[in-house]
Amino acid sequence: AQSVAQPEDQVNVAEGNPLTVKCTYSVSGNPYLFWYVQYPNRGLQFLLKYITGDNLVKGSYGFEAEFNKSQTSFHLKKPSALVSDSALYFCAVRASGSSNTGKLIFGQGTTLQVKP
Amino acid sequence: DTAVSQTPKYLVTQMGNDKSIKCEQNLGHDTMYWYKQDSKKFLKIMFSYNNKELIINETVPNRFSPKSPDKAHLNLHINSLELGDSAVYFCASRLSGDNSPLHFGNGTRLTVT
Repeated sequence: AQSVAQPEDQVNVAEGNPLTVKCTYSVSGNPYLFWYVQYPNRGLQFLLKYITGDNLVKGSYGFEAEFNKSQTSFHLKKPSALVSDSALYFCAVRASGSSNTGKLIFGQGTTLQVKP
Repeated sequence: DTAVSQTPKYLVTQMGNDKSIKCEQNLGHDTMYWYKQDSKKFLKIMFSYNNKELIINETVPNRFSPKSPDKAHLNLHINSLELGDSAVYFCASRLSGDNSPLHFGNGTRLTVT
């Protein structure tokens, strides 16, 4: 069965410092991995995805993520955090064999708090 | 604006009532979803339709009935509402195919009293 784990409920960083939000996954077959961000009282917004190819994926708002197959991880990173990055972040996985349904399994979310 | 739009944004109702939430997307997508986000922010898939055909039906009480009149619309009807149904319900859509991300609406906050 597919699963996603985000081991940290909350990550606190100072503005200007690098940030990492961790994600590990379990899936049969090749994974399709996604990061989404949720601001208060809003829906989830797509940030970036890994399908195949280069392990370092770049996305919106300066975020990037690194796919590591041996560690089954897909950590979200940003070199310099902004206060406006404070939000709830979700990692998600879709097994390649579920293309006909597109069923996406989400992690439990990590709250990122960036302090000035 | 191109978007996934849900109505209503807020829904407050009493136990035992029946209510509906509507969702429409103008992105030209062929697959739509309902997700439930509980008070701990956990997201769980409920249903999915592809071109009006039900393709995902998770373990959801049969008081919940989705309906897709066309591929741009997916509605959710809930009978005999219970306190535990209180949550935020998100509609999402995408183009079928492994590479496509989900596009989410802004959610409907359902409160059952």
